[in-house]
Amino acid sequence: RKEVEQDPGPFNVPEGATVAFNCTYSNSASQSFFWYRQDCRKEPKLLMSVYSSGNEDGRFTAQLNRASQYISLLIRDSKLSDSATYLCVVYNQGGKLIFGQGTELSVKP
Amino acid sequence: NAGVMQNPRHLVRRRGQEARLRCSPMKGHSHVYWYRQLPEEGLKFMVYLQKENIIDESGMPKERFSAEFPKEGPSILRIQQVVRGDSAAYFCASSPGWANEKLFFGSGTQLSVL
Repeated sequence: RKEVEQDPGPFNVPEGATVAFNCTYSNSASQSFFWYRQDCRKEPKLLMSVYSSGNEDGRFTAQLNRASQYISLLIRDSKLSDSATYLCVVYNQGGKLIFGQGTELSVKP
Repeated sequence: NAGVMQNPRHLVRRRGQEARLRCSPMKGHSHVYWYRQLPEEGLKFMVYLQKENIIDESGMPKERFSAEFPKEGPSILRIQQVVRGDSAAYFCASSPGWANEKLFFGSGTQLSVL
């Protein structure tokens, strides 16, 4: 079983749509959780951290359920510029980030 | 205030040649990570280094791959006798200290093996 698994995608949505990405992780001792964004296989960039209480940044909302080992990202009112690959990332003991395989999002006019 | 610098951006090698990828961490950062991204896949951890020490190399292939981070100079990821399957994007990231979850990524090196 992969340490971090994401929806395979791709997601093709119209502008203005709401889209949700799901992610599960296998190591219950994982300490921190993030969503990264990657454009056209360039370097990944931190989108937001994920907290148990849930956190929101503009149109983006992230949720963590430690009991279910489940992480989600919700994007409201999708923009063309949101088209990218979204990476679910888990930070484990021993000091390394473990990346999911990514979910591709394509927002169409 | 330069970020993480990787060079070259693109590297073309023929099968059997050696590839050397360089990574200069952000100023003040003493920890370096290497990740590999194969086509259509996510980033896979390869190795975690501190100056002159390998902390975790659990993701490194057993043969042909090595990494170092000397006291002076950049971190080097070395691939000997490259094969077509080594074609990938190699990303370096740095952090200021031990087990720091905030990583800063370089732009990557795209290795193409002919």
